[in-house]
Amino acid sequence: GAGVSQTPSNKVTEKGKYVELRCDPISGHTALYWYRQSLGQGPEFLIYFQGTGAADDSGLPNDRFFAVRPEGSVSTLKIQRTERGDSAVYLCASSLSAGAGANVLTFGAGSRLTVL
Amino acid sequence: AQSVTQLGSHVSVSEGALVLLRCNYSSSVPPYLFWYVQYPNQGLQLLLKYTTGATLVKGINGFEAEFKKSETSFHLTKPSAHMSDAAEYFCAVSEGAQKLVFGQGTRLTINP
Repeated sequence: GAGVSQTPSNKVTEKGKYVELRCDPISGHTALYWYRQSLGQGPEFLIYFQGTGAADDSGLPNDRFFAVRPEGSVSTLKIQRTERGDSAVYLCASSLSAGAGANVLTFGAGSRLTVL
Repeated sequence: AQSVTQLGSHVSVSEGALVLLRCNYSSSVPPYLFWYVQYPNQGLQLLLKYTTGATLVKGINGFEAEFKKSETSFHLTKPSAHMSDAAEYFCAVSEGAQKLVFGQGTRLTINP
């Protein structure tokens, strides 16, 4: 597609529920990133994919968070047993490659998650 | 680990005045540095980036930034602010060529 598409744009859920957030990157981009942006903060790295594999998942806060990219294109961020502290905007970005330096990331508009 | 500090969470300037948004970084290796802008309900958009070479980098919308290694700074400037520049600005450093580490952001307000 022309840009990075994220769905849903807004998600309200109850504490303890399961949530899936979807990211459709720019066609041909092999690298895909998930970030989390809490209110008043800068984006924080969660996980990065190169192709189908998670190359770096060091930013995932705990084992309730999981992400997949089975065919090397669309990615899904999955959050189990949601907590109120999970409320944030979840940003997805993609880049043509993940070569040394000069990562030009193109970001989607984000999925705003609210946990009641 | 690399980190970014943006001085001033909120900057307010008059229309037509100079815009200066401050960014300092820490890095043990030569950094790649970025400025992104975020308009309400939109994704982050790249303003400019420094990789190697010329230390004064020009970006979109009349913004520029200068990499100063001795000061570990990458401040963003624009000579004359426009109302449309009102947004949140994020400085970022590339960590290990795999991901970006962002500062906490600076909200720019333009007064008419």
